[in-house]
Amino acid sequence: AQKITQTQPGMFVQEKEAVTLDCTYDTSDPSYGLFWYKQPSSGEMIFLIYQGSYDQQNATEGRYSLNFQKARKSANLVISASQLGDSAMYFCAMRELGFSGANSKLTFGKGITLSVRP
Amino acid sequence: EAGVAQSPRYKIIEKRQSVAFWCNPISGHATLYWYQQILGQGPKLLIQFQNNGVVDDSQLPKDRFSAERLKGVDSTLKIQPAKLEDSAVYLCASSFMTSGDTQYFGPGTRLTVL
Repeated sequence: AQKITQTQPGMFVQEKEAVTLDCTYDTSDPSYGLFWYKQPSSGEMIFLIYQGSYDQQNATEGRYSLNFQKARKSANLVISASQLGDSAMYFCAMRELGFSGANSKLTFGKGITLSVRP
Repeated sequence: EAGVAQSPRYKIIEKRQSVAFWCNPISGHATLYWYQQILGQGPKLLIQFQNNGVVDDSQLPKDRFSAERLKGVDSTLKIQPAKLEDSAVYLCASSFMTSGDTQYFGPGTRLTVL
């Protein structure tokens, strides 16, 4: 089974509107972390937001928030007030810490293309 | 604070040739990662270093790929000989320690094998 699933092939949003990018994950590890990265056409992966599996509150970073539903194993990214510069690929990733808490390998989904229309 | 540096940004080679990529992590970051990102996919970890030791190289094709981080700072990833399927973006990332730390990525090297 895929560990990270991003099924939306491409998303379009009007400038200044909010958009939700979906991510579901699969793990039996009780301790894990979920990340969202943005990859513009320049190629660099830019860290956006992090959610730990034991965090009680949903993570927020400026215009980004993570809608974490642990029972459903979903970690959707919400971007509020979209800007033209938000047009990029967005990747969801998971890190399973394992029993020793030492594993730091990131497993990425296939990504979602977001296009912001003026 | 300077980010992760990588060079070259682009490289075009013929199959069976060799190529090397260089990465300099964020200052003070003990852990360094090399990822391969094939077009249309998410990055896949090739190798992870903690200082100058290898932590995970389970997905590194060792018959043709090699990597080193001799002084525990910058790192080199080499492919010899290259195959057509090695065409990808090679991303380097670093983190302060291992578990619990965010990985910060460099701009990547786009490799085209003809």
